Amino acid sequence: DAGITQSPRYKITETGRQVTLMCHQTWSHSYMFWYRQDLGHGLRLIYYSAAADITDKGEVPDGYVVSRSKTENFPLTLESATRSQTSVYFCASSDVGGSYEQYFGPGTRLTVT
Amino acid sequence: AQSVTQPDIHITVSEGASLELRCNYSYGATPYLFWYVQSPGQGLQLLLKYFSGDTLVQGIKGFEAEFKRSQSSFNLRKPSVHWSDAAEYFCGISSGSARQLTFGSGTQLTVLP
Repeated sequence: DAGITQSPRYKITETGRQVTLMCHQTWSHSYMFWYRQDLGHGLRLIYYSAAADITDKGEVPDGYVVSRSKTENFPLTLESATRSQTSVYFCASSDVGGSYEQYFGPGTRLTVT
Repeated sequence: AQSVTQPDIHITVSEGASLELRCNYSYGATPYLFWYVQSPGQGLQLLLKYFSGDTLVQGIKGFEAEFKRSQSSFNLRKPSVHWSDAAEYFCGISSGSARQLTFGSGTQLTVLP
């Protein structure tokens, strides 16, 4: 299917475990982003990528790792999950050019117990 | 650093009434401004955007927004609200070459029958 997809949609994990959230887009957009959404905070940027093999930190990067070996994929890894990382995670993509519009995936709801 | 403030956490309106959601931003130059809508359990969908030119922009679903430089505001309006408009609304700002979006904390809209 065309668009931007995230998997899994729901995940429950235990404190200290490593978990990877997947993001895949079919548009070949250059830019990709990871946000977390928490009540009262809106969406906050975790990491972003301008192209394959180019990533940079956003507002709240601690505890997260990203990679981007292929343009269409942008996985987010929690190396050792903590309860404070319980959140809804959104991936987004944006094309080069003047639009600056970001297209969002459906989100992954992560619960760390 | 750029920032966005949405002063109203929750707004309740009756169906058919007019709506205005407030958004104020802080940035040294003219930013790119966005309004996104999030229905329950869904990702974010772009309603409208402002880059330059006409300060009154039209979006999807009958929404419009007006950019007021002197007030650093980008308020969202709709003349007659429908029950399906009940959702959370996010104002966002983008300024950098990295295309990062900074969001406000969101306004939850409830529509009464």
